[in-house]
Amino acid sequence: QVQLQQSGAELAKPGSSVKISCKASGYTFTSYYISWIKQTTGQGLEYIGYINTGSGGTNYNEKFKGKATLTVDKSSSTAFMQLSSLTPDDSAVYYCARFEVVLAYWGQGTLVTVSS
Amino acid sequence: DTVLTQSPALAVSPGERVTISCRASESVSTGMHWYQQKPGQQPKLLIYGASNLESGVPARFSGSGSGTDFTLTIDPVEADDTATYFCQQSWNDPFTFGSGTKLEIK
Repeated sequence: QVQLQQSGAELAKPGSSVKISCKASGYTFTSYYISWIKQTTGQGLEYIGYINTGSGGTNYNEKFKGKATLTVDKSSSTAFMQLSSLTPDDSAVYYCARFEVVLAYWGQGTLVTVSS
Repeated sequence: DTVLTQSPALAVSPGERVTISCRASESVSTGMHWYQQKPGQQPKLLIYGASNLESGVPARFSGSGSGTDFTLTIDPVEADDTATYFCQQSWNDPFTFGSGTKLEIK
């Protein structure tokens, strides 16, 4: 069965970076893009962007350009999202999801807390 | 960006019919999808392409609409349907989500 397993919670200091992973199993990794979504209580769900897992090509929501960097490692069927120059506004649960226009399969979410 | 507007909360009794609405600030054709999210869990896809039931989702759930006005219907509602329901559009870039409708079963 399709599974997306995300890395564990992160506690980071303002100004630092974190890198979240999303390991896919149960399907051919390069047949589907991977999307990333941010969820906060205040802003709800926000679409960060997606990555073509075959070519590495990316598409970002303008709001997250310069904040998020999406990459993949095809050898391990893993997608990554790096968040840089962290501020408290980046504190959120981040999800990866298999992208096929709709988001039919989601990871369990990774909580990122930015605090000094 | 395309703004999706949902009513914040609804409360219904088991066995009733409930409709959850989502209005888009511009046309999204039929590129509208619905998700259910329970506390502490990831969202779950219910309806895609405005009216197509995702595999494994009970037929109590249905969707309708096109353009700017969309509806998710649950009939009949069960206690387990307590959750927040989000709409999401994939027609315009960037994809956007509604703010969610919290459904309480009385």
